[in-house]
Amino acid sequence: AQSVTQLGSHVSVSEGALVLLRCNYSSSVPPYLFWYVQYPNQGLQLLLKYTSAATLVKGINGFEAEFKKSETSFHLTKPSAHMSDAAEYFCAVTGSSNTGKLIFGQGTTLQVKP
Amino acid sequence: DVKVTQSSRYLVKRTGEKVFLECVQDMDHENMFWYRQDPGLGLRLIYFSYDVKMKEKGDIPEGYSVSREKKERFSLILESASTNQTSMYLCASSLVEYEQFFGPGTRLTVL
Repeated sequence: AQSVTQLGSHVSVSEGALVLLRCNYSSSVPPYLFWYVQYPNQGLQLLLKYTSAATLVKGINGFEAEFKKSETSFHLTKPSAHMSDAAEYFCAVTGSSNTGKLIFGQGTTLQVKP
Repeated sequence: DVKVTQSSRYLVKRTGEKVFLECVQDMDHENMFWYRQDPGLGLRLIYFSYDVKMKEKGDIPEGYSVSREKKERFSLILESASTNQTSMYLCASSLVEYEQFFGPGTRLTVL
């Protein structure tokens, strides 16, 4: 069965530092992978997606993620954190059947310190 | 611009009440989803619908039902609200290419 594990429920970085949010997945079929961001009291917004094209995917707000099949990982990075990046981040993988369902990780809260 | 709207941002109900949460999308998407979000548990799928009048149970359907009479509208119904249904409820829609578009959420409190 498909699953997603996000390592670290809370990550804290200083403004200007590298952001690294980890996501590992398990999938019995070639996956599509997604990162979403959620700001307080809002819905989820798509940051980026991997759909079997380039393994390095660039998203909005300077974020990018690299699909590594051998490591079953899809970690999210940003070279320099900004205060406005403070939010909750969710990694998601497509379900095993062709129904459009996504399996979400438990989320990682990013704190950015001045 | 893509839009998913939910009928209420905040809702307070009493135990035992019947509660309706409405979701509307303007993107002509086939798929629609209802999730609940709780701290530390991420998003859990309650129900989804892949066509008008078609629905499938998600991971936590107990205590909920849904209705999809029109393509753009997907309703979540709490037949008899209980305090353990206090949560954030998120609606989403998608085409078959999987990317889901989310509404702003409804924070429901059951007293």
